[in-house]
Amino acid sequence: EDKVVQSPLSLVVHEGDTVTLNCSYEVTNFRSLLWYKQEKKAPTFLFMLTSSGIEKKSGRLSSILDKKELFSILNITATQTGDSAVYLCAVSAVASGTYKYIFGTGTRLKVLA
Amino acid sequence: EAQVTQNPRYLITVTGKKLTVTCSQNMNHEYMSWYRQDPGLGLRQIYYSMNVEVTDKGDVPEGYKVSRKEKRNFPLILESPSPNQTSLYFCASRPGQGAYEQYFGPGTRLTVT
Repeated sequence: EDKVVQSPLSLVVHEGDTVTLNCSYEVTNFRSLLWYKQEKKAPTFLFMLTSSGIEKKSGRLSSILDKKELFSILNITATQTGDSAVYLCAVSAVASGTYKYIFGTGTRLKVLA
Repeated sequence: EAQVTQNPRYLITVTGKKLTVTCSQNMNHEYMSWYRQDPGLGLRQIYYSMNVEVTDKGDVPEGYKVSRKEKRNFPLILESPSPNQTSLYFCASRPGQGAYEQYFGPGTRLTVT
């Protein structure tokens, strides 16, 4: 059965800290891995990764994929209170001729001032 | 503004009373999906559509129906809602083949009593 596992489940840090969120997956016919940020509303897209070893970066956030070991990490440096959210990892895969998305349950990050 | 809209945003209803949650996107996307989000279970796909008149079941389709008569609209129908369908529902769309990034609507919080 396809699955995506995120760790830790939750994390509390202070402003300025660096955090690393983990996502491991077991999926047949992998196509891409996506990271989303979810505050009290809809998930918003952060990164999409398809190739191993190539870091994607946006400001203080960065992410990398390891397709051999089947995991990805999301790094946030110099955290701010506005980074407080649930971070979702999703994997897209081909199944029965079409795409499906398998989501992890998320990592809840709280950044204290 | 490019967006996915859902209506209603909040709904409280009673068991057995048919309801429809509408979803519309203005990005000319081919793919649209419905998800439900429950604590501890993450986002799970209910139904998806690859184009007009082409729909298929996701992981948790029981108790739901969809239709795709126009490219921009993808309504979710609950013919006879039950309390176990109380959840947060998201509609999402993406451009099409090879484009894996999904754009989510704002969510519909449904309570069935």
